Amino acid sequence: GQNIDQPTEMTATEGAIVQINCTYQTSGFNGLFWYQQHAGEAPTFLSYNVLDGLEEKGRFSSFLSRSKGYSYLLLKELQMKDSASYLCAVKSRGSQGNLIFGKGTKLSVKP
Amino acid sequence: NAGVMQNPRHLVRRRGQEARLRCSPMKGHSHVYWYRQLPEEGLKFMVYLQKENIIDESGMPKERFSAEFPKEGPSILRIQQVVRGDSAAYFCASSPDRGAPEQYFGPGTRLTVT
Repeated sequence: GQNIDQPTEMTATEGAIVQINCTYQTSGFNGLFWYQQHAGEAPTFLSYNVLDGLEEKGRFSSFLSRSKGYSYLLLKELQMKDSASYLCAVKSRGSQGNLIFGKGTKLSVKP
Repeated sequence: NAGVMQNPRHLVRRRGQEARLRCSPMKGHSHVYWYRQLPEEGLKFMVYLQKENIIDESGMPKERFSAEFPKEGPSILRIQQVVRGDSAAYFCASSPDRGAPEQYFGPGTRLTVT
């Protein structure tokens, strides 16, 4: 089967660093995505990993280990506006292009 | 540079009525994906369309649900004889081609069945 796991909720303090983990089991692998979704809004694209390693983009970084079926999203210098759900999604090799999403991690940033 | 547009943003239907959800992809994008998000659940793939073609409908219920993406005009997701369990947020995403990594999401249509 296809399964993507991530923590349901996390809390962190403004200015701190937080790491959101994601593990996946899919039939083949063709890329891993992180999206940010504020309550009641559309998911917005954050990052894409297809090869092992770290991708950095400003305050956000994403890491992938294909052999372990594992990724994390790292958020630095947290701001209150980072309070949102963070969605991990995988494009499996057999898919026609659609994404398989985890349930999302709801991050609350406290002052 | 308009993004993905969906309308209506909110739709209320009584049980047994039909719901029609519209999605206009980003300019230059010819691939459209529909996802459903139930409360406290992740996004679930429903259907993938190109202009005038359904590429993958493996995530769409066989009954009451249909989708199209005509040569002209928006993509439409149609739900006939709605039931309370159809209440959800329906998102559409678009990409320029199948190989493009990112999908860009619209603001969603929140369907409430009373």
